[in-house]
Amino acid sequence: NAGVTQTPKFRILKIGQSMTLQCTQDMNHNYMYWYRQDPGMGLKLIYYSVGAGITDKGEVPNGYNVSRSTTEDFPLRLELAAPSQTSVYFCASSYPASGTNYGYTFGSGTRLTVV
Amino acid sequence: DQQVKQNSPSLSVQEGRISILNCDYTNSMFDYFLWYKKYPAEGPTFLISISSIKDKNEDGRFTVFLNKSAKHLSLHIVPSQPGDSAVYFCAALRGDAGKSTFGDGTTLTVKP
Repeated sequence: NAGVTQTPKFRILKIGQSMTLQCTQDMNHNYMYWYRQDPGMGLKLIYYSVGAGITDKGEVPNGYNVSRSTTEDFPLRLELAAPSQTSVYFCASSYPASGTNYGYTFGSGTRLTVV
Repeated sequence: DQQVKQNSPSLSVQEGRISILNCDYTNSMFDYFLWYKKYPAEGPTFLISISSIKDKNEDGRFTVFLNKSAKHLSLHIVPSQPGDSAVYFCAALRGDAGKSTFGDGTTLTVKP
């Protein structure tokens, strides 16, 4: 059981480049989330999805886009990368009710540097 | 406006003693509170949760206390072990909304 898988683990982007961070879960979770963690800070919600075909903005959505075509996949797209997007990105998933009692299952993160 | 605050960036305790990590929140609509543990280069892992209808929840060495009137919760680890050294995040959510708000984390160091 792989849980939540994120790829790549590390990436260096030049300013203005674009990329997609991949996230896949094999637990049949309805809910999926993208968070970013800046140094010394907590996790900030970028986008989330409550099911295939449904996405919504979180606290810091600017500069990002998402799609949810299947239950398993929730890719995060960065268009026109900026140094402010240098961060560690975490994908997470949960069942609708289990997020309250059992928390989220997180991936191991993607460390992105924009230079 | 930060809705979930962990005011202590770091905490150091001796092995075998109690560790107490604190968290404050401002949004009275939150009705579930969770603690996550994070090791370097890994994603956070769920540790323990509490709903707003309770004031205490225990799981082995870990106990979470909730004081709704003070909008404060704490995580107690007894006895602390070196393997507990990690960053601990407090999170809060409305059960019907599904999305969690996280604090900035407290780095716990347990010294042998």
